Amino acid sequence: DTGVSQDPRHKITKRGQNVTFRCDPISEHNRLYWYRQTLGQGPEFLTYFQNEAQLEKSRLLSDRFSAERPKGSFSTLEIQRTEQGDSAMYLCASSSGLVDTQYFGPGTRLTVL
Amino acid sequence: AQSVTQLGSHVSVSEGALVLLRCNYSSSVPPYLFWYVQYPNQGLQLLLKYTTGATLVKGINGFEAEFKKSETSFHLTKPSAHMSDAAEYFCAVSDTTGANNLFFGTGTRLTVIP
Repeated sequence: DTGVSQDPRHKITKRGQNVTFRCDPISEHNRLYWYRQTLGQGPEFLTYFQNEAQLEKSRLLSDRFSAERPKGSFSTLEIQRTEQGDSAMYLCASSSGLVDTQYFGPGTRLTVL
Repeated sequence: AQSVTQLGSHVSVSEGALVLLRCNYSSSVPPYLFWYVQYPNQGLQLLLKYTTGATLVKGINGFEAEFKKSETSFHLTKPSAHMSDAAEYFCAVSDTTGANNLFFGTGTRLTVIP
């Protein structure tokens, strides 16, 4: 399967703990996106990479959030000092060009207790 | 700025009936428009997209959508609903001037009644 993969699929953590999610995009895709989806809402853009460069960040991405894509392949999204409001589905997508389709992974569902 | 409004958070149709899911957009530049479908606990799958050219776009699973610039709409239709169409549907508009990130509507949950 050469689709976008995300790990873990589910994460339950206690408030104040740090969590890290991983996204593996489709191998030839140079663009990688992170979105957050809360219950009953559509996905909201968090950040975007072109190769290893993080080129845009949403105001939703507070200082507790950091994303990396060190070699232009997989990406990680870390949330420090988690809060209950961070509970959501975190979606990763990748694409190969300016107007190319974004292909989404299955998401990581985070629950903060 | 780009935004999307989906009218009707829940739509119910009988199996075999017409499916119509409404989407209106706002964009300061010529829009690229998308419909995605999401099944429970899964990511989003592209149904169809409009970038340029023909305004009637055909997608997978028998769905199609028509870009109407004068009405700023991109409604999704399917002539005959199938039970397997039950899912959440999201309309999105793309930021074509920067990251090309997607702005999604709040979604429409489609229920198909047997």
